[in-house]
Amino acid sequence: AQKITQTQPGMFVQEKEAVTLDCTYDTSDPSYGLFWYKQPSSGEMIFLIYQGSYDQQNATEGRYSLNFQKARKSANLVISASQLGDSAMYFCAMREGPSRNTPLVFGKGTRLSVIA
Amino acid sequence: DVKVTQSSRYLVKRTGEKVFLECVQDMDHENMFWYRQDPGLGLRLIYFSYDVKMKEKGDIPEGYSVSREKKERFSLILESASTNQTSMYLCASSYGAMNTEAFFGQGTRLTVV
Repeated sequence: AQKITQTQPGMFVQEKEAVTLDCTYDTSDPSYGLFWYKQPSSGEMIFLIYQGSYDQQNATEGRYSLNFQKARKSANLVISASQLGDSAMYFCAMREGPSRNTPLVFGKGTRLSVIA
Repeated sequence: DVKVTQSSRYLVKRTGEKVFLECVQDMDHENMFWYRQDPGLGLRLIYFSYDVKMKEKGDIPEGYSVSREKKERFSLILESASTNQTSMYLCASSYGAMNTEAFFGQGTRLTVV
């Protein structure tokens, strides 16, 4: 079964608008971490934001925030004031458990296009 | 500056060849990962390693093997390359803690003809 589900293959947003990219996850482990990465057309993978399962507050990093709803098992990325440079693939990922033996598992990604 | 380096950016190999993809990190990370990325399929984990000589299968290990003889180096081996292994291969590394992000190499685009 898919551990990370990103249901939006592609999204469009107007410049300066906010956009939400969806991510749901599946785990029975009470301890886990959630990550978002950006991949521009150059191909590099850029880490954006992290949310731990025990974190009380939603993570924020500049224009990025994570809307973490634990009961619904969702970890949506919110980008405020979109810029043309935000056009990229965005991947949600999860690592389960405190053990060092767990991998980082990714979703299929969402391609975001920002329109001027 | 943190660095994960993959040995080749582009590679063209013939069907049946043995192919080595090398990855080196300079951050003393315990964990290293190999993913393949295909359009519409995201990043799929092939293998990962959490220590020297230790390895775990990911979601798609068939047709691949790995080697980690030194902490900084993680090699992906295609024993007998096939055309369906044409893909982008990404290496990553991280500390062992759950809350640490992974750092990625620049990727190797492998074409098997």
